[in-house]
Order: sequence, then structure tokens, then C-alpha cells
Amino acid sequence: KAGVTQTPRYLIKTRGQQVTLSCSPISGHRSVSWYQQTPGQGLQFLFEYFSETQRNKGNFPGRFSGRQFSNSRSEMNVSTLELGDSALYLCASSLDFRNEQFFGPGTRLTVL
Amino acid sequence: DQQVKQNSPSLSVQEGRISILNCDYTNSMFDYFLWYKKYPAEGPTFLISISSIKDKNEDGRFTVFLNKSAKHLSLHIVPSQPGDSAVYFCAASGEAGNKLVFGAGTILRVKS
Repeated sequence: KAGVTQTPRYLIKTRGQQVTLSCSPISGHRSVSWYQQTPGQGLQFLFEYFSETQRNKGNFPGRFSGRQFSNSRSEMNVSTLELGDSALYLCASSLDFRNEQFFGPGTRLTVL
Repeated sequence: DQQVKQNSPSLSVQEGRISILNCDYTNSMFDYFLWYKKYPAEGPTFLISISSIKDKNEDGRFTVFLNKSAKHLSLHIVPSQPGDSAVYFCAASGEAGNKLVFGAGTILRVKS
């Protein structure tokens, strides 16, 4: 069974631009969560989608948004990029609530 | 406010011996706990989980112990192997669905 895939793997943007990251979950998994990893803040939860609905949201500004499609694939968007948005963005999928979350390799975003 | 704490930034163990990684949490609503292993530039790899109705879960060389009264869990790796060298994250979830709250991680070095 294929794992969680994320595209692109690396991205370089400049301040003020916007970016869209994509995540394809493990087949059959309906929950997709997004996390941000930075050296200073560690791994922090962004949001979770289940059956195309945002089920949970972390403490990030409204510039961070996401969506989930009917095939469970998910995208996250960051608008008006700031230098502090430079991070590894990780997507995780699971069958449902209280199941193990399996992570993709991440997208390394660098904002210049 | 760090709800999940891994107080040891690093741990060094001889090959073949036991590795014990510790994690403390403060939120009494957490009822599901997971351990992940992470290599640089990769997503976390799920190792083992435990729900609050149990106090021990084993999977091969990995055992997780949960002490609810102390709000403490630990991961035991026996025997430790050089390939176990990585960063280990403890994570917890509670009433907020699939949101995982991560500790800061512990770097494990297994010396051969």
C-alpha cells in the first residue's frame, strides 16, 4: 500500500506570495491533518479535514487555509507569505478518529 | 504552555542495551498517546501507540508504558540498535479529535 505523498518536496517563495501544498493520503484514509515543523516551535498542528470538512483547527492565522476533496486528497494554502512561514509542512493521514496518523515526507518551504 | 514535555534533549545508549525515553503531559483530557521516530528531512514514522484504558503496549522491541496518575509515559527499546538512532517524539491527543500535540523530541544515539 502506498504511503502518504506530498508535493512539491521543496519550494522557494518570496515574501508576500502565496503557496499551495498538496497531500495524497493512504488509500482508504479519510482524515488528513497538517502540521508545521520549525526549529523554534517544533511540530504544531495546523488543521484536520475529514470527509471534506474541517474538523479541527490549530492556533494559526487565517492566512493558513486548507481543503479536502472527495477523494480525500488535501491541499493547504498560505497567503501573503512571511519569513517566519519557512518550515517543513507535514501531512498525516489516518482512518478516522483515534487511529494512528501516518506522515508524508513533508514539503520544505523557504520564504526569502 | 507546553502540554507535552520531553525533558531529555538527548540520550546516548550502547548497542544491545535498553533505551528509555520519557514523556510527561499536563492535560488530563489526553487519552491517546503515540511515539514517532524521525530522521532529518523526513516525515515522522509511527512506532507505537497506547490508549488511556491500558498501561502497557508492546510491539516487538518497542514497549510503551503509561502512568495516568503521574501523567507520564515512557518508550522502552530493547535491545537498542544503531539504526534506532533518530529523534523520538511523543504525541498526545484528547477531546480535540485527531489533533496531536507533540513534545520537543529526544535525540537518541545508539553507539556500536
